[in-house]
Amino acid sequence: DVKVTQSSRYLVKRTGEKVFLECVQDMDHENMFWYRQDPGLGLRLIYFSYDVKMKEKGDIPEGYSVSREKKERFSLILESASTNQTSMYLCASSLTSGASSTDTQYFGPGTRLTVL
Amino acid sequence: KNQVEQSPQSLIILEGKNCTLQCNYTVSPFSNLRWYKQDTGRGPVSLTIMTFSENTKSNGRYTATLDADTKQSSLHITASQLSDSASYICVVSDRGSTLGRLYFGRGTQLTVWP
Repeated sequence: DVKVTQSSRYLVKRTGEKVFLECVQDMDHENMFWYRQDPGLGLRLIYFSYDVKMKEKGDIPEGYSVSREKKERFSLILESASTNQTSMYLCASSLTSGASSTDTQYFGPGTRLTVL
Repeated sequence: KNQVEQSPQSLIILEGKNCTLQCNYTVSPFSNLRWYKQDTGRGPVSLTIMTFSENTKSNGRYTATLDADTKQSSLHITASQLSDSASYICVVSDRGSTLGRLYFGRGTQLTVWP
């Protein structure tokens, strides 16, 4: 079974802190994704990566950056956390992507981040 | 504008009953449609995925249908169980972007009562 793990289930940070969220997948997947999920809004894509050191902006990249130094690990960085970044953050991975890909995206359990 | 709309927003049914969740989309050009189940506090888990040429797919008590002409999909749950209580998310992929962009619905929150 594919396993996607996230470094923390719950995280509380203060405004202005630098925050690192880490995601690891164990199935040699090419693609990794970071989403945030807010009540009533559904999942929104922040960034994704289709290869080591490669990244693409999603729909809401402002205030976030990412790092993918190794294939299995994809990090989301909040350079200076703000209260409007309080949310559930979900990492996902898939074997391939592409316009006709039917590969499943496997999600991690999520990190609930609260910024005070 | 590419959108995915789900209805109803929430639904309560009694254990053992059947229910149907709806998904309408405007994503074009269409590649595939997925249904995910998300338990409270967990990440979504894939239930089914259907391409343009498929109009029905089952996964146990879950049956998804797709009408690509009317751009509608439904997820039918048979003989519901308490463990079916979750949010069900419809996700549509387009063929127009090189990397296969996914569009997420906001989900239907299903509650099954004993």
